[in-house]
Amino acid sequence: EIVLTQSPGTLSLSPGERATLSCRASQSVSNNYLAWYQQKPGQAPRLLIYGASSRAAGIPDRFSGSGSGTDFTLTISRLEPEDFAVYYCQQYDNSARTFGQGTKVEI
Amino acid sequence: EVQLLESGGGLVQPGGSLGLSCAASGFTFSSYGMTWVRQAPGKGLEWVSGISGGGSSTYYVDSVKGRFTISRDNSKSTVYLQMNSLRAEDTAIYYCAKARTNMPKVFDSWGQGTLVTVSS
Repeated sequence: EIVLTQSPGTLSLSPGERATLSCRASQSVSNNYLAWYQQKPGQAPRLLIYGASSRAAGIPDRFSGSGSGTDFTLTISRLEPEDFAVYYCQQYDNSARTFGQGTKVEI
Repeated sequence: EVQLLESGGGLVQPGGSLGLSCAASGFTFSSYGMTWVRQAPGKGLEWVSGISGGGSSTYYVDSVKGRFTISRDNSKSTVYLQMNSLRAEDTAIYYCAKARTNMPKVFDSWGQGTLVTVSS
């Protein structure tokens, strides 16, 4: 099983600021098989990024993903009020998919 | 528009069984993998099980192997999760999600979830 560790646990920022979220894997994730999701309270998750850096349909370009191997990053260039949520990374290199524990982005 | 509607959640005693269903619409169901992801109250996401578009390949997290079975009926555009020998730690909201491709790797559409509570 590939364990994903996200940091920080909570990120306290203001609208307009830049957010940098980290996801570290316990072993190398081949082919950049790493996705990011956003979840707001009481809602289902929403796919943001797949393949480490490809934005999903309808996702604003202020969201970007980067990284390879064991270290991946989700960057939100300028936080909008609707971006305050919990963000999860997920690997799909291993047949047993796993999620990170989440990073909460709060005001 | 993709729609996923889960059903079948509820209260069940430890050791009991429950079957979840997820009815899909708005896409060619048999062409896409499907998955179940759960979220315990106040906790993070946990991938539970996945199935390929044709149904020939299935995948499970270790903690549910031998207890849960995923299946699909492409004629009814429905995916199922049969849960046996339920434990308190299986208590969670169970989400059904559609994969981007035939294999259950990345999940681009999600249902609103159904709550499963395992308690005596």
